[in-house]
Amino acid sequence: DAKTTQPTSMDCAEGRAANLPCNHSTISGNEYVYWYRQIHSQGPQYIIHGLKNNETNEMASLIITEDRKSSTLILPHATLRDTAVYYCIVRLTGANSKLTFGKGITLSVRP
Amino acid sequence: GAVVSQHPSWVICKSGTSVKIECRSLDFQATTMFWYRQFPKQSLMLMATSNEGSKATYEQGVEKDKFLINHASLTLSTLTVTSAHPEDSSFYICSAVGGPGGGGTEAFFGQGTRLTVV
Repeated sequence: DAKTTQPTSMDCAEGRAANLPCNHSTISGNEYVYWYRQIHSQGPQYIIHGLKNNETNEMASLIITEDRKSSTLILPHATLRDTAVYYCIVRLTGANSKLTFGKGITLSVRP
Repeated sequence: GAVVSQHPSWVICKSGTSVKIECRSLDFQATTMFWYRQFPKQSLMLMATSNEGSKATYEQGVEKDKFLINHASLTLSTLTVTSAHPEDSSFYICSAVGGPGGGGTEAFFGQGTRLTVV
């Protein structure tokens, strides 16, 4: 699986948009970009995924560059409950395709 | 959204005993489940992949005789830590692949099980 690189940490003010970057320069054509987050002492929570088009759901938006070598997860109005470790993962589709977690980025939302 | 339930949420056991952790997909069928382990301040490490009705596939370095995985049905997988030792103390997390309506390939995670071996 292709690897991803993310900054170690970032913070943002409550109510503002949080833009979390991810580089995946070796992504292959059939690999998707997935985002999960993990709040302390809980299991990871699925956020969103995409192949090449931008995606939006009730939690976030995913912007993937045209060359697919990087992406940005956008939380439009961050709240204190969004404080978590966010993982950007590239993964082949398919039930047996593994999710390999890197170190992720720690997002701290400040009041 | 899809719900994956793990039980127990936490367990304390004596060194040398065995502990079973259950992972259930509550509202969908999961042909594949993954088991992870997470040590403090570290990321999740994949231990094994289990498919319903077949033997689990273990990652390199994971002892299959120590971490027994059974995936007997499309909604239940179990991880048994045999002859547990203090170094097995960790946060164990399962993931079930699927989704409501069937045919999904997304992975949904349980809430995790905190194992402490004393």
